[in-house]
Amino acid sequence: DSGVTQTPKHLITATGQRVTLRCSPRSGDLSVYWYQQSLDQGLQFLIQYYNGEERAKGNILERFSAQQFPDLHSELNLSSLELGDSALYFCASSPGVGTEAFFGQGTRLTVV
Amino acid sequence: SQKIEQNSEALNIQEGKTATLTCNYTNYSPAYLQWYRQDPGRGPVFLLLIRENEKEKRKERLKVTFDTTLKQSLFHITASQPADSATYLCAPNTGFQKLVFGTGTRLLVSP
Repeated sequence: DSGVTQTPKHLITATGQRVTLRCSPRSGDLSVYWYQQSLDQGLQFLIQYYNGEERAKGNILERFSAQQFPDLHSELNLSSLELGDSALYFCASSPGVGTEAFFGQGTRLTVV
Repeated sequence: SQKIEQNSEALNIQEGKTATLTCNYTNYSPAYLQWYRQDPGRGPVFLLLIRENEKEKRKERLKVTFDTTLKQSLFHITASQPADSATYLCAPNTGFQKLVFGTGTRLLVSP
Protein backbone atom coordinates (compact mmCIF):
# COMPACT_ATOMS: atom_id res chain seq x y z
CA ASP A 1 0.00 0.00 0.00
CA SER A 2 1.60 3.25 -1.20
CA GLY A 3 -0.57 5.45 0.99
CA VAL A 4 -2.03 7.25 -2.03
CA THR A 5 -5.76 6.70 -2.44
CA GLN A 6 -7.60 7.14 -5.69
CA THR A 7 -11.35 6.97 -6.12
CA PRO A 8 -13.21 5.54 -7.84
CA LYS A 9 -11.25 2.48 -8.97
CA HIS A 10 -13.44 1.95 -12.00
CA LEU A 11 -15.66 4.33 -13.90
CA ILE A 12 -17.80 3.68 -16.95
CA THR A 13 -19.45 6.63 -18.61
CA ALA A 14 -20.82 7.76 -21.94
CA THR A 15 -19.27 10.04 -24.51
CA GLY A 16 -19.91 13.69 -23.86
CA GLN A 17 -20.17 13.26 -20.11
CA ARG A 18 -18.03 14.78 -17.36
CA VAL A 19 -16.31 12.89 -14.55
CA THR A 20 -14.20 13.77 -11.53
CA LEU A 21 -11.35 11.61 -10.30
CA ARG A 22 -10.14 12.05 -6.76
CA CYS A 23 -6.72 11.59 -5.21
CA SER A 24 -5.70 11.66 -1.56
CA PRO A 25 -1.91 11.92 -1.26
CA ARG A 26 0.21 10.33 1.44
CA SER A 27 0.08 12.17 4.70
CA GLY A 28 2.47 15.11 4.56
CA ASP A 29 3.17 14.96 0.84
CA LEU A 30 2.84 18.37 -0.77
CA SER A 31 3.26 17.43 -4.44
CA VAL A 32 0.57 15.70 -6.46
CA TYR A 33 0.99 14.47 -10.04
CA TRP A 34 -1.58 13.19 -12.52
CA TYR A 35 -0.86 10.77 -15.37
CA GLN A 36 -2.82 9.12 -18.15
CA GLN A 37 -1.91 5.67 -19.38
CA SER A 38 -3.75 4.30 -22.39
CA LEU A 39 -3.69 0.59 -23.18
CA ASP A 40 -0.12 -0.62 -23.70
CA GLN A 41 1.14 2.96 -23.74
CA GLY A 42 3.54 4.86 -21.55
CA LEU A 43 2.69 7.17 -18.69
CA GLN A 44 1.71 10.57 -20.04
CA PHE A 45 2.29 13.38 -17.59
CA LEU A 46 -0.73 15.65 -17.28
CA ILE A 47 -0.19 18.13 -14.45
CA GLN A 48 1.58 18.69 -11.13
CA TYR A 49 0.54 20.64 -8.06
CA TYR A 50 2.62 21.66 -5.10
CA ASN A 51 0.95 22.84 -1.92
CA GLY A 52 -2.13 24.00 -3.77
CA GLU A 53 -0.43 25.68 -6.70
CA GLU A 54 -0.02 24.42 -10.23
CA ARG A 55 3.69 23.80 -10.84
CA ALA A 56 4.02 22.02 -14.15
CA LYS A 57 1.82 21.11 -17.03
CA GLY A 58 2.17 18.38 -19.61
CA ASN A 59 0.09 17.68 -22.68
CA ILE A 60 -3.17 18.08 -20.83
CA LEU A 61 -6.21 18.63 -23.02
CA GLU A 62 -8.27 21.78 -22.56
CA ARG A 63 -11.23 19.53 -21.72
CA PHE A 64 -9.29 18.35 -18.67
CA SER A 65 -8.67 20.41 -15.55
CA ALA A 66 -7.38 19.76 -12.08
CA GLN A 67 -6.92 21.40 -8.73
CA GLN A 68 -5.36 20.75 -5.36
CA PHE A 69 -7.35 21.75 -2.32
CA PRO A 70 -6.12 23.21 1.00
CA ASP A 71 -6.22 19.75 2.59
CA LEU A 72 -3.89 18.67 -0.28
CA HIS A 73 -6.24 16.24 -1.93
CA SER A 74 -6.58 16.70 -5.66
CA GLU A 75 -9.26 16.26 -8.28
CA LEU A 76 -8.95 15.73 -12.01
CA ASN A 77 -11.97 16.79 -14.02
CA LEU A 78 -12.51 15.34 -17.47
CA SER A 79 -15.28 16.79 -19.59
CA SER A 80 -16.84 16.23 -23.01
CA LEU A 81 -15.46 12.73 -22.83
CA GLU A 82 -14.45 10.91 -25.97
CA LEU A 83 -13.81 7.22 -26.60
CA GLY A 84 -10.08 7.97 -26.75
CA ASP A 85 -10.11 9.20 -23.17
CA SER A 86 -10.54 5.63 -21.99
CA ALA A 87 -7.41 4.91 -19.97
CA LEU A 88 -5.91 4.34 -16.57
CA TYR A 89 -5.46 7.59 -14.70
CA PHE A 90 -2.82 7.59 -12.01
CA CYS A 91 -2.16 10.02 -9.25
CA ALA A 92 1.16 10.16 -7.43
CA SER A 93 2.43 12.17 -4.50
CA SER A 94 5.83 13.07 -3.15
CA PRO A 95 7.09 15.03 -0.15
CA GLY A 96 8.74 17.63 -2.34
CA VAL A 97 11.49 18.07 -4.88
CA GLY A 98 14.05 15.42 -5.65
CA THR A 99 12.28 12.63 -3.85
CA GLU A 100 10.54 9.51 -4.96
CA ALA A 101 6.90 9.55 -5.97
CA PHE A 102 4.28 7.16 -4.63
CA PHE A 103 1.53 6.09 -6.97
CA GLY A 104 -2.05 5.24 -6.30
CA GLN A 105 -3.76 2.17 -7.72
CA GLY A 106 -5.28 4.22 -10.52
CA THR A 107 -8.77 4.88 -11.82
CA ARG A 108 -9.75 2.89 -14.86
CA LEU A 109 -11.99 5.06 -17.01
CA THR A 110 -14.03 3.49 -19.77
CA VAL A 111 -15.91 5.78 -22.12
CA VAL A 112 -18.62 4.03 -24.14
CA SER B 1 12.75 19.28 -27.03
CA GLN B 2 13.52 17.09 -24.05
CA LYS B 3 13.47 13.41 -24.86
CA ILE B 4 13.78 10.22 -22.82
CA GLU B 5 14.57 7.00 -24.64
CA GLN B 6 14.23 3.47 -23.37
CA ASN B 7 14.41 0.36 -25.48
CA SER B 8 10.84 -0.36 -26.54
CA GLU B 9 11.63 -3.96 -27.34
CA ALA B 10 11.20 -6.45 -24.53
CA LEU B 11 14.32 -7.84 -22.94
CA ASN B 12 14.22 -11.61 -22.52
CA ILE B 13 16.75 -13.25 -20.21
CA GLN B 14 17.14 -16.47 -18.30
CA GLU B 15 16.78 -16.74 -14.57
CA GLY B 16 20.03 -16.12 -12.76
CA LYS B 17 21.47 -13.82 -15.42
CA THR B 18 22.01 -10.08 -15.10
CA ALA B 19 19.50 -7.83 -16.83
CA THR B 20 20.74 -4.45 -18.05
CA LEU B 21 18.30 -1.76 -19.10
CA THR B 22 19.23 1.55 -20.69
CA CYS B 23 17.83 5.04 -20.33
CA ASN B 24 19.09 7.81 -22.60
CA TYR B 25 17.99 11.43 -22.44
CA THR B 26 18.60 14.45 -24.61
CA ASN B 27 18.30 18.20 -24.41
CA TYR B 28 18.40 18.58 -20.68
CA SER B 29 20.64 18.01 -17.70
CA PRO B 30 18.84 16.18 -14.91
CA ALA B 31 19.90 16.74 -11.35
CA TYR B 32 18.74 13.25 -10.50
CA LEU B 33 17.23 10.21 -12.13
CA GLN B 34 14.72 7.72 -10.80
CA TRP B 35 13.85 4.15 -11.74
CA TYR B 36 10.44 2.58 -11.20
CA ARG B 37 8.88 -0.79 -11.75
CA GLN B 38 5.38 -1.18 -13.17
CA ASP B 39 3.33 -4.35 -13.27
CA PRO B 40 0.36 -4.59 -15.69
CA GLY B 41 -2.61 -2.54 -14.54
CA ARG B 42 -0.84 -1.24 -11.46
CA GLY B 43 0.83 2.01 -10.50
CA PRO B 44 4.60 2.33 -10.80
CA VAL B 45 6.66 1.53 -7.73
CA PHE B 46 9.80 3.49 -6.88
CA LEU B 47 13.04 1.51 -6.92
CA LEU B 48 16.07 3.79 -6.86
CA LEU B 49 17.06 7.44 -7.14
CA ILE B 50 20.54 8.54 -8.17
CA ARG B 51 21.81 12.11 -8.11
CA GLU B 52 24.08 13.75 -10.67
CA ASN B 53 27.07 13.70 -8.31
CA GLU B 54 26.68 9.95 -7.75
CA LYS B 55 28.13 7.57 -10.30
CA GLU B 56 26.56 4.43 -8.96
CA LYS B 57 23.95 3.35 -6.48
CA ARG B 58 23.01 -0.11 -5.21
CA LYS B 59 20.09 -1.67 -3.42
CA GLU B 60 20.11 -5.40 -2.86
CA ARG B 61 20.23 -6.97 -6.36
CA LEU B 62 19.72 -3.62 -8.10
CA LYS B 63 22.41 -1.28 -9.36
CA VAL B 64 22.03 2.03 -11.18
CA THR B 65 24.70 4.07 -12.90
CA PHE B 66 24.42 7.66 -14.06
CA ASP B 67 26.74 9.07 -16.72
CA THR B 68 26.00 12.75 -17.22
CA THR B 69 28.55 12.97 -20.03
CA LEU B 70 26.92 10.21 -22.05
CA LYS B 71 23.46 11.34 -20.85
CA GLN B 72 22.69 7.80 -19.93
CA SER B 73 21.66 5.66 -17.01
CA LEU B 74 22.01 1.90 -16.81
CA PHE B 75 19.83 -0.23 -14.55
CA HIS B 76 21.08 -3.68 -13.61
CA ILE B 77 19.29 -6.54 -11.91
CA THR B 78 21.68 -9.30 -10.88
CA ALA B 79 20.65 -12.91 -10.30
CA SER B 80 17.35 -12.15 -12.00
CA GLN B 81 14.22 -14.06 -11.05
CA PRO B 82 10.91 -14.62 -12.84
CA ALA B 83 9.34 -12.30 -10.25
CA ASP B 84 11.48 -9.50 -11.68
CA SER B 85 9.43 -9.63 -14.89
CA ALA B 86 7.81 -6.22 -15.28
CA THR B 87 8.17 -2.94 -17.14
CA TYR B 88 10.92 -0.67 -15.86
CA LEU B 89 10.61 3.09 -16.23
CA CYS B 90 13.23 5.77 -15.90
CA ALA B 91 12.57 9.39 -15.00
CA PRO B 92 15.37 11.91 -15.34
CA ASN B 93 14.47 15.11 -13.55
CA THR B 94 15.96 18.57 -13.47
CA GLY B 95 14.45 19.60 -10.18
CA PHE B 96 11.24 21.40 -9.50
CA GLN B 97 9.69 20.30 -12.75
CA LYS B 98 7.30 17.76 -14.08
CA LEU B 99 8.14 14.16 -13.30
CA VAL B 100 8.23 12.66 -16.78
CA PHE B 101 8.86 9.02 -17.55
CA GLY B 102 10.35 7.16 -20.45
CA THR B 103 8.10 4.68 -22.21
CA GLY B 104 9.69 1.83 -20.28
CA THR B 105 11.34 -1.45 -21.14
CA ARG B 106 9.57 -4.72 -20.52
CA LEU B 107 11.73 -7.36 -18.88
CA LEU B 108 10.83 -11.04 -19.15
CA VAL B 109 12.79 -13.49 -17.00
CA SER B 110 12.36 -17.12 -17.94
CA PRO B 111 12.81 -19.98 -15.44
